Amino acid sequence: DAGVIQSPRHEVTEMGQEVTLRCKPISGHNSLFWYRQTMMRGLELLIYFNNNVPIDDSGMPEDRFSAKMPNASFSTLKIQPSEPRDSAVYFCASSPQGTRNTIYFGEGSWLTVV
Amino acid sequence: QQQVKQSPQSLIVQKGGIPIINCAYENTAFDYFPWYQQFPGKGPALLIAIRPDVSEKKEGRFTISFNKSAKQFSLHIMDSQPGDSATYFCAAGGTSYGKLTFGQGTILTVHP
Repeated sequence: DAGVIQSPRHEVTEMGQEVTLRCKPISGHNSLFWYRQTMMRGLELLIYFNNNVPIDDSGMPEDRFSAKMPNASFSTLKIQPSEPRDSAVYFCASSPQGTRNTIYFGEGSWLTVV
Repeated sequence: QQQVKQSPQSLIVQKGGIPIINCAYENTAFDYFPWYQQFPGKGPALLIAIRPDVSEKKEGRFTISFNKSAKQFSLHIMDSQPGDSATYFCAAGGTSYGKLTFGQGTILTVHP
């Protein structure tokens, strides 16, 4: 299995620009998570989906952030407009039904907003 | 109540030493306690996990000790090696769709 696939791996953008991060979960997994990692705040859960439906988006920092999961094999996390404080590593992760909490992470998208 | 507190923030040991990383939680609904290992430039990967019906679980050189009454759990790495140098995260989860709350992480350095 290819694992969780994220793109882009690295992105540098200017403040105010729109950023779209993409994720392909492991085939057959029915839960998908977006995490953000920074030195100051560690790993924060932004949002998670179960069977393509958003279950908990309480971690989404503000209205500039939005996430979608149009089908079982694809999800996006969008930041519009981006700000320097959004600079972080964004991880997508997926989990199979029945193994309860076993989460598999992608390699992350490293975002720098200048 | 959702927080998981992890310590220390960083840890340096010599090869062969036994680093110990500790975590504490508040939410008694948590019933799954994994540890993740993260190498630079990579995503976290599941290392070992425990459920509260046992007090200890061992996999190779890695052992989790769990104290339900104190709401604490810890990771011990026996005979540590330089290749174990990584960031370690504890986490806690409940039954709700696999949502995990992570500790702040511990940067472990094992000197040769």
